[in-house]
Amino acid sequence: SAVISQKPSRDICQRGTSLTIQCQVDSQVTMMFWYRQQPGQSLTLIATANQGSEATYESGFVIDKFPISRPNLTFSTLTVSNMSPEDSSIYLCSVEDPDRYGYTFGSGTRLTVV
Amino acid sequence: AQKITQTQPGMFVQEKEAVTLDCTYDTSDPSYGLFWYKQPSSGEMIFLIYQGSYDQQNATEGRYSLNFQKARKSANLVISASQLGDSAMYFCAMREMAGGSYIPTFGRGTSLIVHP
Repeated sequence: SAVISQKPSRDICQRGTSLTIQCQVDSQVTMMFWYRQQPGQSLTLIATANQGSEATYESGFVIDKFPISRPNLTFSTLTVSNMSPEDSSIYLCSVEDPDRYGYTFGSGTRLTVV
Repeated sequence: AQKITQTQPGMFVQEKEAVTLDCTYDTSDPSYGLFWYKQPSSGEMIFLIYQGSYDQQNATEGRYSLNFQKARKSANLVISASQLGDSAMYFCAMREMAGGSYIPTFGRGTSLIVHP
């Protein structure tokens, strides 16, 4: 199955600043998914990122707040902009596994905004 | 309406016993897939098992089996011979076609605690 390296694993940030999260995949994948998991909650899809096109955002998420880059088939970044304490969550990237039915996830970024 | 419903926020089981985690889903897409993931306290998402909507037999992966009842739209996870390391959050998920791509959606999860 695919292997994803996600960085940083955790960070504590000041409100009003931005954080960029990176995901590197060890194989080429068409689609990459970005999720937010608030404390004790399920995974909520933020956006789907295809290489060479604008990301598709889910209801409640906007590009100005969560800009996404997808420069090639193995890499993507998610930026959390102008952060507030409500943005404190785990952020996960995910890809559809090329070898089996299923999705592989990065190890997650635990973000705390103070 | 919820696409994936997990009605058990928490479950307890004795070590070595079997446990069933419930999941119902809602879709009008005839081609869909169902998944279960385990999330231990470390936060990683671990793939457990997959069931396709056209699969005739229930999926099995080691101690995990998926009780797929298509007419009832249920996809319960059965863990046999529970181990202490099975204590974790368990998420049921479904992928269905949306905008030309298969998009996965996750349920709220069930917290499983295995007692010695």
